Amino acid sequence: GESVGLHLPTLSVQEGDNSIINCAYSNSASDYFIWYKQESGKGPQFIIDIRSNMDKRQGQRVTVLLNKTVKHLSLQIAATQPGDSAVYFCAEKDTGRRALTFGSGTRLQVQP
Amino acid sequence: EPEVTQTPSHQVTQMGQEVILRCVPISNHLYFYWYRQILGQKVEFLVSFYNNEISEKSEIFDDQFSVERPDGSNFTLKIRSTKLEDSAMYFCASSDLGGSGDQYFGPGTRLLVL
Repeated sequence: GESVGLHLPTLSVQEGDNSIINCAYSNSASDYFIWYKQESGKGPQFIIDIRSNMDKRQGQRVTVLLNKTVKHLSLQIAATQPGDSAVYFCAEKDTGRRALTFGSGTRLQVQP
Repeated sequence: EPEVTQTPSHQVTQMGQEVILRCVPISNHLYFYWYRQILGQKVEFLVSFYNNEISEKSEIFDDQFSVERPDGSNFTLKIRSTKLEDSAMYFCASSDLGGSGDQYFGPGTRLLVL
């Protein structure tokens, strides 16, 4: 189930630091956005979502920011832990559709 | 915590053979999906299924593909005559709401067509 990213951008952080993963989307009709985490051997795991009528949403140690003006989404992970090491995908959904459109992913490496 | 499960975890087949990938969605979910991820590429939507019929499909989901919910728990993806380019990870997902409902993914089946 790993997302094999031969050309995945990689973010390397020290344990305890904050991480920011960015995503650009192109469809201005998208009204729902999700961040997924994919660990080696597993499928995408839901982290947090946000609807287009919001610009910020917080979860446990994670925050998603949405800037519709520039079609940009970010995931902030506070106090990053080794267990956060994975590939992170943003996904978007168009109004009235069920299909998710995934971004290409970012590999997060947490150095102990 | 309820999970989506998929079998088999790995499948190797010869080109031209039929394969059936199986999924057990989360029990109270109503919408079911198949996605695939070719090596080194993005996760791509294939099809969504609700109330025993396809509700949406992508251009990838051609006549070689079909889906079925044969009983109250399983959801299958059949590829009738596999091609080399069908080699990929296939993910099943389910959600309890079709519009903005969170989609929960299974661990995937790695299909290799030789």
